[in-house]
Amino acid sequence: DVKVTQSSRYLVKRTGEKVFLECVQDMDHENMFWYRQDPGLGLRLIYFSYDVKMKEKGDIPEGYSVSREKKERFSLILESASTNQTSMYLCASSLAVGSSYEQYFGPGTRLTVT
Amino acid sequence: GQSLEQPSEVTAVEGAIVQINCTYQTSGFYGLSWYQQHDGGAPTFLSYNALDGLEETGRFSSFLSRSDSYGYLLLQELQMKDSASYFCAVRANSGGYQKVTFGTGTKLQVIP
Repeated sequence: DVKVTQSSRYLVKRTGEKVFLECVQDMDHENMFWYRQDPGLGLRLIYFSYDVKMKEKGDIPEGYSVSREKKERFSLILESASTNQTSMYLCASSLAVGSSYEQYFGPGTRLTVT
Repeated sequence: GQSLEQPSEVTAVEGAIVQINCTYQTSGFYGLSWYQQHDGGAPTFLSYNALDGLEETGRFSSFLSRSDSYGYLLLQELQMKDSASYFCAVRANSGGYQKVTFGTGTKLQVIP
């Protein structure tokens, strides 16, 4: 079974702090994604990566950066956390090619910025 | 960019059939996926349609009409455990990359 793990289920940070959210997948997937989920807004893509060292902006990249130094790990960085970044953050991975392009999601990190 | 529209809430009776619609606007369309998410859980994949027509997987079916930019998820013999949010997601070409954009989700409540 594919397993996507995220470093924390719950996180509380102060405004202005640098925040690291880590995601690890164990199925050798090429593609990895970071989303944030807010009530009524669905899942919005922050950044994605289709290969090591590669990153592309999603729909809402402002205030975020990412790092992919190893194939299995994709990190989301909030350079200076703000209260409007309080949200559920979901990481996902998928194969680069396939019949369904199914994304496998981690359990999520609920981040609160105070 | 891409945009998707789906109803925000649907209520249906246990044992009945419910259809959740999704309309989309996008260029470079590849396919439409459906995901289920229970409260407090992570989204899980249900289906993917790249071609027109109906795909059936047990009690769940998914339909796509590329010409109408429209799809739906059909849930039959509804069970209480089907109460969840359902998201459609479009896979499309964006700036040379394949990108997936999710809708805002439909919250399905199954009542006895």
